[in-house]
Amino acid sequence: SAVISQKPSRDICQRGTSLTIQCQVDSQVTMMFWYRQQPGQSLTLIATANQGSEATYESGFVIDKFPISRPNLTFSTLTVSNMSPEDSSIYLCSVRTGLNYGYTFGSGTRLTVV
Amino acid sequence: QQQVKQSPQSLIVQKGGISIINCAYENTAFDYFPWYQQFPGKGPALLIAIRPDVSEKKEGRFTISFNKSAKQFSLHIMDSQPGDSATYFCAASGSGTYKYIFGTGTRLKVLA
Repeated sequence: SAVISQKPSRDICQRGTSLTIQCQVDSQVTMMFWYRQQPGQSLTLIATANQGSEATYESGFVIDKFPISRPNLTFSTLTVSNMSPEDSSIYLCSVRTGLNYGYTFGSGTRLTVV
Repeated sequence: QQQVKQSPQSLIVQKGGISIINCAYENTAFDYFPWYQQFPGKGPALLIAIRPDVSEKKEGRFTISFNKSAKQFSLHIMDSQPGDSATYFCAASGSGTYKYIFGTGTRLKVLA
């Protein structure tokens, strides 16, 4: 399965600022996914990022708040913009190498907004 | 119809015991049911998965039981060990789709 490097692993940010999270995969993948995991909660898909096209956002998530870049087949970034304490969560990058394979997740970025 | 209901929310088991976590779904289009294990500070890792053409799948101490008519599936951890203490998520995915619907998670603690 793919190996995913995600950084930063954690950050504490001031409200109103933005944080960009990087996700690097050790192999080329068509689709990359960004999830949010709020404290003690399940995983919620934010968006799907395909190389060369705009990300597809799930209901409740918008591009202005969570802009995503996907410049090539091994890298993606998620920006959390104009942060508020409600954005405090773990953000996870994930890839799926085919319909018969499960997701592989990065270790996540633990974000605290103060 | 898109929900996957998971229970219990938390579970405490003695070392050597059996841990059982249950999930139920409504959407009959789901055809892939994985379980993920997540340790604190780590991302979820695929543990075991099943498709509805079989009623049971076993990998080491981990077994998925699947009841298609009841639209339920469960994870059994035999001979539970303290190292199994983690949060477990079930999930479901539909045919031809890349999206998962995750359960709400079960925090398992195995006492030494």
